[in-house]
Amino acid sequence: ETGVTQTPRHLVMGMTNKKSLKCEQHLGHNAMYWYKQSAKKPLELMFVYSLEERVENNSVPSRFSPECPNSSHLFLHLHTLQPEDSALYLCASSHGGSRETQYFGPGTRLLVL
Amino acid sequence: AQKITQTQPGMFVQEKEAVTLDCTYDTSDPSYGLFWYKQPSSGEMIFLIYQGSYDQQNATEGRYSLNFQKARKSANLVISASQLGDSAMYFCAMREGSYNTDKLIFGTGTRLQVFP
Repeated sequence: ETGVTQTPRHLVMGMTNKKSLKCEQHLGHNAMYWYKQSAKKPLELMFVYSLEERVENNSVPSRFSPECPNSSHLFLHLHTLQPEDSALYLCASSHGGSRETQYFGPGTRLLVL
Repeated sequence: AQKITQTQPGMFVQEKEAVTLDCTYDTSDPSYGLFWYKQPSSGEMIFLIYQGSYDQQNATEGRYSLNFQKARKSANLVISASQLGDSAMYFCAMREGSYNTDKLIFGTGTRLQVFP
């Protein structure tokens, strides 16, 4: 099993839909992250979970709702999204701490119509 | 001010040649870490190399090395003996501060194309 997996890899949804992105890590890490990568913009950190507690929320709109039921799984629940939310959503995990490397999943390419 | 600056939107290099991708950073924190990631067209961010602000030597990982010049606040990535599979986006990133800070700040990236 590869280190960090994400499903689905591609998602098309309407503005009134509700969907969820899933991330799973098999590395024994205790911190997990959601990032958003829009075209021609740097990666933006959205949420950080450490030991299943949310420790960072970077002013993300409430239409994005994260959930971390355990240290291996992270979800991003989506509802009433806008077309500008179309992006690549990347999940990452790490042991936590300033020297620890974050390892990323392959991402979910989201298109909001 | 941008924390991480990558001034080269695109670079070309011939196979088997070396290439340097530039990265400058801005921080007043004495403790920080610098990372380079590779992102192929598939989308996954692949960790390449790490340099800590207190590390005495430049980091190396196989064909990747980091030219760390602390006084100039630069952390350039050097790829030796380029391969066609090196064609990808390359991102420089920085983490500032203490043990509990997990936030990575990314640059805008450099697209590297390796030609035969």
